[in-house]
Amino acid sequence: EAGVTQFPSHSVIEKGQTVTLRCDPISGHDNLYWYRRVMGKEIKFLLHFVKESKQDESGMPNNRFLAERTGGTYSTLKVQPAELEDSGVYFCASSHQPPQYYNEQFFGPGTRLTVL
Amino acid sequence: KNQVEQSPQSLIILEGKNCTLQCNYTVSPFSNLRWYKQDTGRGPVSLTIMTFSENTKSNGRYTATLDADTKQSSLHITASQLSDSASYICVVSGSSGGSYIPTFGRGTSLIVHP
Repeated sequence: EAGVTQFPSHSVIEKGQTVTLRCDPISGHDNLYWYRRVMGKEIKFLLHFVKESKQDESGMPNNRFLAERTGGTYSTLKVQPAELEDSGVYFCASSHQPPQYYNEQFFGPGTRLTVL
Repeated sequence: KNQVEQSPQSLIILEGKNCTLQCNYTVSPFSNLRWYKQDTGRGPVSLTIMTFSENTKSNGRYTATLDADTKQSSLHITASQLSDSASYICVVSGSSGGSYIPTFGRGTSLIVHP
């Protein structure tokens, strides 16, 4: 069984540009999560999809971030326009059941975003 | 404010030795606590999960403990191996208003030397 995959693995862009990150969850996992770790800080929750619906997006930092999961399969996270403080590692995770069932979340390897 | 504090920040031990990592949290109400292992360039991988009623959980050479009264957890690694070199992250999930957003610690970086 393939794990969670993320693309690209690294992205270097200039301030003001747009970047789109992609996450492919484990097949059959309805729950998909985005997280971010800024350098030197802890990983923080961004949002949670159940199929194509946003269950919880309370962690999204501002309206420059747009997450989508059309069709309930893969998800994209777009940052437009990117700012310096957006630099960090963006992780995607997926699980079969929602978190209240103590279901393990399987993490992808992350996308390292650098904004210059 | 929900917080998870881990200590030490980094640790170097010799292969074959044991070590214990600490986690203190202020997440409330508490739902569960997980320990993750994160290898360099990889995503975190779950080692153990404990709910309120559990005070110890083992996974091979990894043993986690939980004291829900003092809001402390520890991860004990027995007979360390070179492959144990990684970051170990404590993650606590609350259950406020139907939301189970996890709070992550910054991790303990463990280096095992031969």
